[in-house]
Amino acid sequence: EAQVTQNPRYLITVTGKKLTVTCSQNMNHEYMSWYRQDPGLGLRQIYYSMNVEVTDKGDVPEGYKVSRKEKRNFPLILESPSPNQTSLYFCASSFAFSRDQPQHFGDGTRLSIL
Amino acid sequence: GQQVMQIPQYQHVQEGEDFTTYCNSSTTLSNIQWYKQRPGGHPVFLIQLVKSGEVKKQKRLTFQFGEAKKNSSLHITATQTTDVGTYFCGLGNEKLTFGTGTRLTIIP
Repeated sequence: EAQVTQNPRYLITVTGKKLTVTCSQNMNHEYMSWYRQDPGLGLRQIYYSMNVEVTDKGDVPEGYKVSRKEKRNFPLILESPSPNQTSLYFCASSFAFSRDQPQHFGDGTRLSIL
Repeated sequence: GQQVMQIPQYQHVQEGEDFTTYCNSSTTLSNIQWYKQRPGGHPVFLIQLVKSGEVKKQKRLTFQFGEAKKNSSLHITATQTTDVGTYFCGLGNEKLTFGTGTRLTIIP
């Protein structure tokens, strides 16, 4: 089954404790991205990757890191999480980096930073 | 980034009533996508509009792209409880940018 898989689905942690949210897709998609969803603000892009070893900042990249060492994986790293990063996070992928490509979303990761 | 206004932010309707959400851009778009996110779920792609004035239908859902390619609407006829969720537009310009979404709740 074609899908985007995120882990963990839920995480409660404390300020400053490094964490990684994994994302994997099995559709051989070139383009992957991370979004955060907050009430009233919709989906805001954090980082995106057009292909292996190619990443770039989205609209709200501060406090986050990413890597794309393999085509299928695109982990989101919070080196020193803070409470304002409490949010619902979605990984998404599409066939290519193009504005007309439908995005396939993972099930989401709800992060709470205390 | 570009301005992405989606209205209304919330809409409560009686089951069987119609529902419309609007998406407006400050710039001319190349395309627009619509997504639905069920409560507790993730956004799911519904449809894409590309041509000026384009209208597409999916059962009770009607999607329209404005003549100037700066706005779009999603209309649901005779809502059902299965329509509950948040509807997002994705604006295609330099890249894909999402609107703030309209949350639809239905009173049975």
